Amino acid sequence: GAVVSQHPSWVICKSGTSVKIECRSLDFQATTMFWYRQFPKQSLMLMATSNEGSKATYEQGVEKDKFLINHASLTLSTLTVTSAHPEDSSFYICSTTRGSNQPQHFGDGTRLSIL
Amino acid sequence: EDQVTQSPEALRLQEGESSSLNCSYTVSGLRGLFWYRQDPGKGPEFLFTLYSAGEEKEKERLKATLTKKESFLHITAPKPEDSATYLCALLNAGGTSYGKLTFGQGTILTVHP
Repeated sequence: GAVVSQHPSWVICKSGTSVKIECRSLDFQATTMFWYRQFPKQSLMLMATSNEGSKATYEQGVEKDKFLINHASLTLSTLTVTSAHPEDSSFYICSTTRGSNQPQHFGDGTRLSIL
Repeated sequence: EDQVTQSPEALRLQEGESSSLNCSYTVSGLRGLFWYRQDPGKGPEFLFTLYSAGEEKEKERLKATLTKKESFLHITAPKPEDSATYLCALLNAGGTSYGKLTFGQGTILTVHP
């Protein structure tokens, strides 16, 4: 069965809107979760590492104020795309892992389209 | 800088025609190599983990192998339902204690009946 639940599956909204994406770990408590972005016909790019109870670690080039991450519980991390613009349109995917050196398990992604 | 290169970019096979996908890599401190399958509009689905050169893993029609420079995903007698994008990813020793996963560009596999 699914290890990670991601919601919503897709969202279409107007430019300037803020959008929140939820990622839930279903099978275990996840102190660390990951957020990726995937553009069409490209591979996954890590955006940030979400840490329960502390600040997220962002990859170089990812705007912290643009992509707000909150990991308030051991089963839920959220990504909020603030004041979204058309260039933020992409496929956003989260993942969790049971521990270091273990495989990451991914959600089914959120297709974000900004008009 | 860690690099992952997958080849070919796309592969078309007839049902039953066996073949292999390649994942070449350079990494400082390999902690693991993972293979995933991704269907259109979905997140990657975990297939295999390989940790050291010489290791092999097998599941149904798929077999993954690892050397110090590359990994292969062998597909034996594929079926149309094996059509998907196959991703190779390296877990390195950098970043947080959980490391950082670096993905290859993927191989788009199409199996015709």
